Amino acid sequence: AQTVTQSQPEMSVQEAETVTLSCTYDTSESDYYLFWYKQPPSRQMILVIRQEAYKQQNATENRFSVNFQKAAKSFSLKISDSQLGDAAMYFCAYRRGNAGNMLTFGGGTRLMVKP
Amino acid sequence: DTGVSQDPRHKITKRGQNVTFRCDPISEHNRLYWYRQTLGQGPEFLTYFQNEAQLEKSRLLSDRFSAERPKGSFSTLEIQRTEQGDSAMYLCASSFHRGLADTQYFGPGTRLTVL
Repeated sequence: AQTVTQSQPEMSVQEAETVTLSCTYDTSESDYYLFWYKQPPSRQMILVIRQEAYKQQNATENRFSVNFQKAAKSFSLKISDSQLGDAAMYFCAYRRGNAGNMLTFGGGTRLMVKP
Repeated sequence: DTGVSQDPRHKITKRGQNVTFRCDPISEHNRLYWYRQTLGQGPEFLTYFQNEAQLEKSRLLSDRFSAERPKGSFSTLEIQRTEQGDSAMYLCASSFHRGLADTQYFGPGTRLTVL
């Protein structure tokens, strides 16, 4: 069974600074997708960024980028120029590439942004 | 396109009562998923549909839980004889399945409290 681990229950960053959230996963599959979702307090979960395992290039979306290390099964999220609106729970998620479409989530990291 | 909607947003019930939740996916999304999220944890997969067919169910989905998507549009999740352990946020997500690249979009969730 696949597992996703987020070892940082809480992180804090100063506004305008950069922060990196960690995620590791365990799988025997070679074809899969990895995601970072953001869940603001009392608001719905939204997709931040997605990475296909077959792509060597790290995904980027504006201030958000990932460091995907397939051999190490590591998938960290870097947030640059942090903003107050970035404060939220961040979840790392895994999905197999073939049949079976469920997302397996990590336990989440609560990010606090200090003004 | 107004996104995934869920109703009700909050439900308080007494132990032993039956409850039903509704999810309306993004229009034309052919896949619909249900997840459960307990406080401070990542969401856990319950079940998913492709059109009206229920394709996968988690072992978390006990006999007291049933889900339907009768016309391949909205879905309902019913919990019979609720228990205090059923208290959680129930999340619905939808996606348009085209090969392997579909991304799940989440609704705001229904928070269930069983007294």
